[in-house]
Amino acid sequence: EAGVTQFPSHSVIEKGQTVTLRCDPISGHDNLYWYRRVMGKEIKFLLHFVKESKQDESGMPNNRFLAERTGGTYSTLKVQPAELEDSGVYFCASSPTGGNEQFFGPGTRLTVL
Amino acid sequence: GQNIDQPTEMTATEGAIVQINCTYQTSGFNGLFWYQQHAGEAPTFLSYNVLDGLEEKGRFSSFLSRSKGYSYLLLKELQMKDSASYLCAPPGFQKLVFGTGTRLLVSP
Repeated sequence: EAGVTQFPSHSVIEKGQTVTLRCDPISGHDNLYWYRRVMGKEIKFLLHFVKESKQDESGMPNNRFLAERTGGTYSTLKVQPAELEDSGVYFCASSPTGGNEQFFGPGTRLTVL
Repeated sequence: GQNIDQPTEMTATEGAIVQINCTYQTSGFNGLFWYQQHAGEAPTFLSYNVLDGLEEKGRFSSFLSRSKGYSYLLLKELQMKDSASYLCAPPGFQKLVFGTGTRLLVSP
């Protein structure tokens, strides 16, 4: 069974540009989470989807971040316009309904110059 | 809110036993997770404690005391590949809240 996949693995962009990160959860997992780790800090929750609905987006830093999960399968996280402080590793995780364990993807390392 | 406290770094030698402590304060409680994260990789699940006591899983064991807001991860027969960060995560409702993690360095 394939795990959680994320694309791209690395992205280097300039301040002001737009970047879209993609996450494909484990097939059948209704819960999809986005997390972020900035340099030297802990991994922080961004938001949680249940199928295509946003269950909790309390961790989204500001309105430059937009997450979608149309169709309840893969999800995208768009940053527009990107700022220097957005640099970090963005992790996606998924879990089945009623499951406790979250399965993490390999992350996308975003560098904003 | 949740305040999570773990040692920043620990060192140990191959074959030894190491205990990584985690104290936390949480407004809600749905169990406590331990994840392992190797440098540059995704966190991987190690254990989940929802009741007080010790849960053993091979070389790794995890202990929880909910009344004390305390957990530890015990690693036995350390191997070089155990060098990684260990993240304590008492979850909020349906989301994980991580501490900064403990970086464990295992030397020969």
